[in-house]
Amino acid sequence: EPEVTQTPSHQVTQMGQEVILRCVPISNHLYFYWYRQILGQKVEFLVSFYNNEISEKSEIFDDQFSVERPDGSNFTLKIRSTKLEDSAMYFCANLLRTQLGGYTFGSGTRLTVV
Amino acid sequence: GIQVEQSPPDLILQEGANSTLRCNFSDSVNNLQWFHQNPWGQLINLFYIPSGTKQNGRLSATTVATERYSLLYISSSQTTDSGVYFCANDMRFGAGTRLTVKP
Repeated sequence: EPEVTQTPSHQVTQMGQEVILRCVPISNHLYFYWYRQILGQKVEFLVSFYNNEISEKSEIFDDQFSVERPDGSNFTLKIRSTKLEDSAMYFCANLLRTQLGGYTFGSGTRLTVV
Repeated sequence: GIQVEQSPPDLILQEGANSTLRCNFSDSVNNLQWFHQNPWGQLINLFYIPSGTKQNGRLSATTVATERYSLLYISSSQTTDSGVYFCANDMRFGAGTRLTVKP
């Protein structure tokens, strides 16, 4: 199955600092998503992208968060002023228009805010 | 909003046993998927199954869209099947079923 690449795999940051999480989608993608998973909890939807625009966002995705496509290929999730409760695993996902169908997730970035 | 409920929340099996995991939806079934989250945290796509039945080795899944539920069957379970199984409808996830397979 095609891969979605996320970097870094693990990031530790001081509370109040800005972090940028990166995702390189696979080719032939349509929709693009960001999710977070607090340790031991469910996978929560943050935001979806279609045609380089936000198509939907959850109540979690407040002004602290932003998404960009800075170079036409990579996608980034920026958290402006991190809080302790932002510590979580962050996943990006692409929708595949192939016979396999469905969504493919990256391996995730584990963010630890100290 | 879309509600996705999974049962059971926890399941402990002996190696070789079979199991059925269930996913109920409050809304119509669209992009229904089953995922396995392994001990390293990776989300592995098992099935994309908005309707019908699919099989992949020891795993199979059935979605009955008219009744808004989906089932994941695991046969002859192995210790490597351990982890959390999530279903997602329209990319909204259930709380998962934590499966532990004991040797």
